Amino acid sequence: GESVGLHLPTLSVQEGDNSIINCAYSNSASDYFIWYKQESGKGPQFIIDIRSNMDKRQGQRVTVLLNKTVKHLSLQIAATQPGDSAVYFCAESKSGYSTLTFGKGTMLLVSP
Amino acid sequence: EPEVTQTPSHQVTQMGQEVILRCVPISNHLYFYWYRQILGQKVEFLVSFYNNEISEKSEIFDDQFSVERPDGSNFTLKIRSTKLEDSAMYFCASSEAPRGANTGELFFGEGSRLTVL
Repeated sequence: GESVGLHLPTLSVQEGDNSIINCAYSNSASDYFIWYKQESGKGPQFIIDIRSNMDKRQGQRVTVLLNKTVKHLSLQIAATQPGDSAVYFCAESKSGYSTLTFGKGTMLLVSP
Repeated sequence: EPEVTQTPSHQVTQMGQEVILRCVPISNHLYFYWYRQILGQKVEFLVSFYNNEISEKSEIFDDQFSVERPDGSNFTLKIRSTKLEDSAMYFCASSEAPRGANTGELFFGEGSRLTVL
């Protein structure tokens, strides 16, 4: 039978490639955005965040781009490594509120 | 490195039974959260807690759910009468400051898997 909810978008790359994971967020009032990495059997792990007054932020090997006009967020991973294999979630939040609203997730598979 | 710890890692229970999931947040954190993730689906917010009271809760967090900070270290989620659809991974998280503040990063535990039969 069909497994509802198990069909995550998947991005397969080779080790050393650059990866781009995309996310469309829903609430135009959101002003804080985060990318989380979730490895199998573990909790979400913070990667990088960005506030709505910025359109780009760089970390170590990762860059987040924010396009508020089309409510789009992307995560770029440079020189992808097998250890980057995981499910990546974007999350949105509004200042003054506790709630993080997570997106559906993208599975990144990195082949050596 | 400080971390959020959760127990049990896996609990199997019969429908209608009460379940308590336990969490020890990071010691200097003041804001506590429960999220859940049904298998293969996205992480969903349940409740946030600060200063010994609920700050926000989602529609999922109905009268069957409650949270408590019984002492200075534990933060618990109780499900009074479990249903089949409560089967999920439950994540506790904590933060030093509220969401949106500069130090409002959420640190998640590894989760407690609840299976309701």
